Amino acid sequence: DAGITQSPRYKITETGRQVTLMCHQTWSHSYMFWYRQDLGHGLRLIYYSAAADITDKGEVPDGYVVSRSKTENFPLTLESATRSQTSVYFCASSYRRNTEAFFGQGTRLTVV
Amino acid sequence: GNSVTQMEGPVTLSEEAFLTINCTYTATGYPSLFWYVQYPGEGLQLLLKATKADDKGSNKGFEATYRKETTSFHLEKGSVQVSDSAVYFCALQLIFGQGTTLQVKP
Repeated sequence: DAGITQSPRYKITETGRQVTLMCHQTWSHSYMFWYRQDLGHGLRLIYYSAAADITDKGEVPDGYVVSRSKTENFPLTLESATRSQTSVYFCASSYRRNTEAFFGQGTRLTVV
Repeated sequence: GNSVTQMEGPVTLSEEAFLTINCTYTATGYPSLFWYVQYPGEGLQLLLKATKADDKGSNKGFEATYRKETTSFHLEKGSVQVSDSAVYFCALQLIFGQGTTLQVKP
């Protein structure tokens, strides 16, 4: 199906474990983004990518790693999960930097 | 740098009431401005957009005008419905406002 998909939708992990959230888009959009949504903070940009092999930090990158070897995939890895990383994570893509973004359904991550 | 400031919620209205959600921005250049809506348990989806000064974006009865002189992009709707209950986000390129929760009561 065309669109942007995130997996898993829900994840519970333990403090200190590595976890990877997946994001896949079928539009061949150049830009892809990772945001986290927390009560009282709205959406905060973690990382973004302008093209394959080009990534850049957003507002809150600490504790996260991204890669983009293929245009359609943009995984987000928490190298050693902490409780403060409990959040809802959204992946998005856009054709250009200044065009509308298309969002996935989100991944609800709980770190215990 | 660029920033977006959005009025805090929650906003509670009765059905058929008039809605305004304020959004102001700081930007270099002339970026496009967007309003997104998030229904419970879902991702964000584009509600409307404006790409240059004095443009008016509209969709589903919602409107917003790109005002360069006041650096604003306020969202309005003349008559809200219960189905409009959601969280609304003002956005400028990669930057989103904090979101405003709207609850419409029958």
